[in-house]
Amino acid sequence: QVQLVESGGAVVQPGRSLRLSCAASGFIFSSYPMHWVRQAPGKGLEWVAGISYLGGSTKSYADSVKGQFTISRDNSKNTLYLQMNNLRPEDTALYYCAREPRTLVRGILQYYGMDVWGQGTTVTVSS
Amino acid sequence: DIQMTQSPSTLSASVGDRVTITCRASQNIHSWLAWYQQKPGKAPKLLIFKASNLESGVPSRFSGSGSGTEFTLTISSLQPDDSATYYCQQYNSYAYTFGQGTKLEIK
Repeated sequence: QVQLVESGGAVVQPGRSLRLSCAASGFIFSSYPMHWVRQAPGKGLEWVAGISYLGGSTKSYADSVKGQFTISRDNSKNTLYLQMNNLRPEDTALYYCAREPRTLVRGILQYYGMDVWGQGTTVTVSS
Repeated sequence: DIQMTQSPSTLSASVGDRVTITCRASQNIHSWLAWYQQKPGKAPKLLIFKASNLESGVPSRFSGSGSGTEFTLTISSLQPDDSATYYCQQYNSYAYTFGQGTKLEIK
């Protein structure tokens, strides 16, 4: 079945780095743009980063993580990554990956929101 | 970045009530808006995409409307299982942004 499974979350000290992974199965991973979304404890959802399908040439980041986080994908491994550097306490959150289906309908690109989400992986930044 | 503002922040209603949640965008996002439902300890679930399109498997009591900067999510007859937090999200342009959420409680 269609599934996303995040891993790599941990408790880390401020200033350290961490790489999150999101393993995809049950669908053609390379065909989908992918995203990371986080949720701080007791707070709302925050979009973190997105990457285009196939080669992932287009990447975008929230201002809060620009220059600090890097999103990437390895289509041969059906895996999405989030490299997080110089972590700060405010990066403490549950990190979700999600896919975003898009299709071309009569020459016009159609977008469908984020239809499949993983269960999340927890990152805690604390000394 | 486009700011998304939801109202109300919390909502209490009874089973069978008609419930409406509003989402306003700080600029025109056409119809590129999604609604999600999130229950405690669970990942968000897509309810509505492109402002008014019901995701497969979502009960028909959920509906979405609007375009441009004003959007609504309506639950036509509230059910106990609808207790959750609801988020709107614009995907007109990067950076994608979410509303702050509306917590819906059943009386």
